[in-house]
Amino acid sequence: QLQLQESGPGLVKPSETLSLTCTVSGGSISSSSCNWGWIRQPPGKGLEWIGSIYYTGSTYYNPSLKSRVTISVDSSKNQFSLRLSSVTAGDTAAYYCARHEIYNSASGSYYLRWFDPWGQGTLVTVSS
Amino acid sequence: DIVMTQSPDSLAVSLGERATINCKSSQSVLYSSNNKDYLAWYQQKPGQPPKLLVYWASTRESGVPDRFSGSGSGTDFTLTISSLQAEDVAVYYCQQYYSTSITFGQGTRLEIK
Repeated sequence: QLQLQESGPGLVKPSETLSLTCTVSGGSISSSSCNWGWIRQPPGKGLEWIGSIYYTGSTYYNPSLKSRVTISVDSSKNQFSLRLSSVTAGDTAAYYCARHEIYNSASGSYYLRWFDPWGQGTLVTVSS
Repeated sequence: DIVMTQSPDSLAVSLGERATINCKSSQSVLYSSNNKDYLAWYQQKPGQPPKLLVYWASTRESGVPDRFSGSGSGTDFTLTISSLQAEDVAVYYCQQYYSTSITFGQGTRLEIK
């Protein structure tokens, strides 16, 4: 059974960089049938997709966050990571990692689908 | 970006009664080449991560009770719970994957009346 677990600091200072890691167990991060995604949820609010990565390192990012986001993958550790730079209080949220279903076309392109399963999430607070 | 708008924002339904949640997209999420609607539904219970319920607008994920059903096409979609159970109290989200910029609805909170 595939499981994902987020880890990282729960408190980050304004203007610094938020760094989180997602560890995948029960399956290989080098699967060709999925991406690996990050989604966040401010307290009491809705869901916002941050971005997703394929095991080759190919990425898709939310255009509204693209300038500040880097997602990377470490296949040797079965992990993928999120870095969000220049954080403000508005980046305070629960951060979730998830398996991101994809469709691989015959042309070699792939297309994003739904998220399943999700990690339990980790709350990151941006405050001095 | 495709904007997803859910209605209502909150809903109270009696146990055993039908609950209906709506989701409208700012542009069609129906892909004409395969006639599929690129829409998913999730359930998020308090203190838990979201759980996938439905994809392709109407395909139930394995293990999801059959009282949950998705319908609609194009820009207008509905998640229906045919007979509300106490464990269905949650916030429900729709998500489009037609665009490579994935977006979610704002959520609908479902409570027991």
